[in-house]
Amino acid sequence: GAVVSQHPSWVICKSGTSVKIECRSLDFQATTMFWYRQFPKQSLMLMATSNEGSKATYEQGVEKDKFLINHASLTLSTLTVTSAHPEDSSFYICSARHPGTGGAEAFFGQGTRLTVV
Amino acid sequence: SQQGEEDPQALSIQEGENATMNCSYKTSINNLQWYRQNSGRGLVHLILIRSNEREKHSGRLRVTLDTSKKSSSLLITASRAADTASYFCAPTTTGANSKLTFGKGITLSVRP
Repeated sequence: GAVVSQHPSWVICKSGTSVKIECRSLDFQATTMFWYRQFPKQSLMLMATSNEGSKATYEQGVEKDKFLINHASLTLSTLTVTSAHPEDSSFYICSARHPGTGGAEAFFGQGTRLTVV
Repeated sequence: SQQGEEDPQALSIQEGENATMNCSYKTSINNLQWYRQNSGRGLVHLILIRSNEREKHSGRLRVTLDTSKKSSSLLITASRAADTASYFCAPTTTGANSKLTFGKGITLSVRP
């Protein structure tokens, strides 16, 4: 089946530094990918929609200058958490909807556990 | 996009029993999907039911959809400890660019 791979699976960084998370669709092309964050025991919160070749669309309340999204190719989207602070510590998950199912079925990466110390 | 509202929020059953989870939504959809999330992992797609379908089976999973009531149910039969996870429904419209949003989900615990 279709696979979305996310890397790294976990990262620890110092406050003030930036962290890049990669999301790849391994066997299909994704013009659109989605980034979520999830706090412990809570649901996934959609952060932004990543569009290949154009600017990402951010959800209300999400700082676009803090969470930089780049979708440089049809199989890769990256999320960079800039100047990370402890409150950015969270579980970040990407997904892409497979065009073969009419764009209905979404496949998710394994998630990235970010800890800012 | 719209998110589904799952019910109950938590469910604890004995291994071998059936688990029934419900989902309600508010506006018209093209299809409805159910996902599972194991702790600390991404979501795994379980099953998709289209708006013109009423029932669908996949292994031990049975999904129903009632568009007149804007509700769906997911039944897991003969549950196993490995079914312990969070479950989310996602009422969706077709299209690769259409956003997928999630409610609070259902935490299912299956006791061995």
